[in-house]
Amino acid sequence: DTEVTQTPKHLVMGMTNKKSLKCEQHMGHRAMYWYKQKAKKPPELMFVYSYEKLSINESVPSRFSPECPNSSLLNLHLHALQPEDSALYLCASSQGFPRGGANQPQHFGDGTRLSIL
Amino acid sequence: QQPVQSPQAVILREGEDAVINCSSSKALYSVHWYRQKHGEAPVFLMILLKGGEQKGHEKISASFNEKKQQSSLYLTASQLSYSGTYFCGTDITGAGSYQLTFGKGTKLSVIP
Repeated sequence: DTEVTQTPKHLVMGMTNKKSLKCEQHMGHRAMYWYKQKAKKPPELMFVYSYEKLSINESVPSRFSPECPNSSLLNLHLHALQPEDSALYLCASSQGFPRGGANQPQHFGDGTRLSIL
Repeated sequence: QQPVQSPQAVILREGEDAVINCSSSKALYSVHWYRQKHGEAPVFLMILLKGGEQKGHEKISASFNEKKQQSSLYLTASQLSYSGTYFCGTDITGAGSYQLTFGKGTKLSVIP
């Protein structure tokens, strides 16, 4: 079991649907991440929130919209996705700066496997 | 820029040792190592920081050559549970950055 919980585990949606992915952690971490991982590829960073503020947006298309309602929750809102967006979406968390940053371990959730029809 | 991992894949018998390498064309501030089993989340193994500090599991060792911008992960006396894909993640932007770029991974298979 991981300390970062993602729901749902699987999601199938059409290209016109709107859905949301959810991520929750209770480790007191102040940095949260969304990664996209295609089969047999490494995770690719999409977004980083630090202290509930968007810190990094890796030029992700606007059909992906992140939200960090509080320090424990991270959402990824999906709308009008394309078939190439089918992938495993991983959430992670780590201690926030100044103690954190890339010198702290990232704790990953099990991911949401997304399929776009 | 994506770090380069080698080898791409390796097969070991239980008890054998392996070394996985990670190299970067940019100066590194930190190197992370994670293991991901099929269908599971990546699991943190080790962080190596510029200046020599290390954080991670006691049974796993790694090195970080700052001048050569390289890191190596050493797996000794391998067990079946070591099987999985190992990723290095590198930080090339420095203090306060949360940005890790992962290598393509090294698939390790340990057989009885």
